[in-house]
Amino acid sequence: NAGVMQNPRHLVRRRGQEARLRCSPMKGHSHVYWYRQLPEEGLKFMVYLQKENIIDESGMPKERFSAEFPKEGPSILRIQQVVRGDSAAYFCASSTGTGGTEAFFGQGTRLTVV
Amino acid sequence: GEDVEQSLFLSVREGDSSVINCTYTDSSSTYLYWYKQEPGAGLQLLTYIFSNMDMKQDQRLTVLLNKKDKHLSLRIADTQTGDSAIYFCAEIPANQAGTALIFGKGTTLSVSS
Repeated sequence: NAGVMQNPRHLVRRRGQEARLRCSPMKGHSHVYWYRQLPEEGLKFMVYLQKENIIDESGMPKERFSAEFPKEGPSILRIQQVVRGDSAAYFCASSTGTGGTEAFFGQGTRLTVV
Repeated sequence: GEDVEQSLFLSVREGDSSVINCTYTDSSSTYLYWYKQEPGAGLQLLTYIFSNMDMKQDQRLTVLLNKKDKHLSLRIADTQTGDSAIYFCAEIPANQAGTALIFGKGTTLSVSS
């Protein structure tokens, strides 16, 4: 049973380009969470999704960022027109549901904007 | 709002015990977690505790919860160089729609031989 898979592990983008980060949850998990970790900071919640639904996007920046979790395929975090401040590690976690069930984290995607 | 505070650094000698402390603000939190992050890696769940417990032990790890003071600690017995990592305390506030974790900034544990 593979864990949470994120790809790519490292992504370099020039300012103004688009970044697409992918997350495949663990088998049987229908809940996906995206977190951002800035250098020497803790993880900050961005968005919580279930299949085809955004449940909580209170941590998402209002512009340029979007997330989806389609019926088929991985969850995608999309950042348009990237800026240097978007450079961070982006982690995805998945779980089976609510009520404090254990969330498993992927290895993260390290985005560098040059 | 919710906030989780941790001291940033801890340095210990191999074989000593390490105690990493955390305070949280949401008294209604039902679950409190400790995660470990090694350099360049993702987060590994070490242990978690329900808020109706005051202690949990798992091999070298002991978690103590003082709900009155909203204080959580992680004790690592017989600390090894392989324990060097960043340790994050996290909570799930009761008012969250899902299970989105609120993290502290992490405590960097350095173990010297």
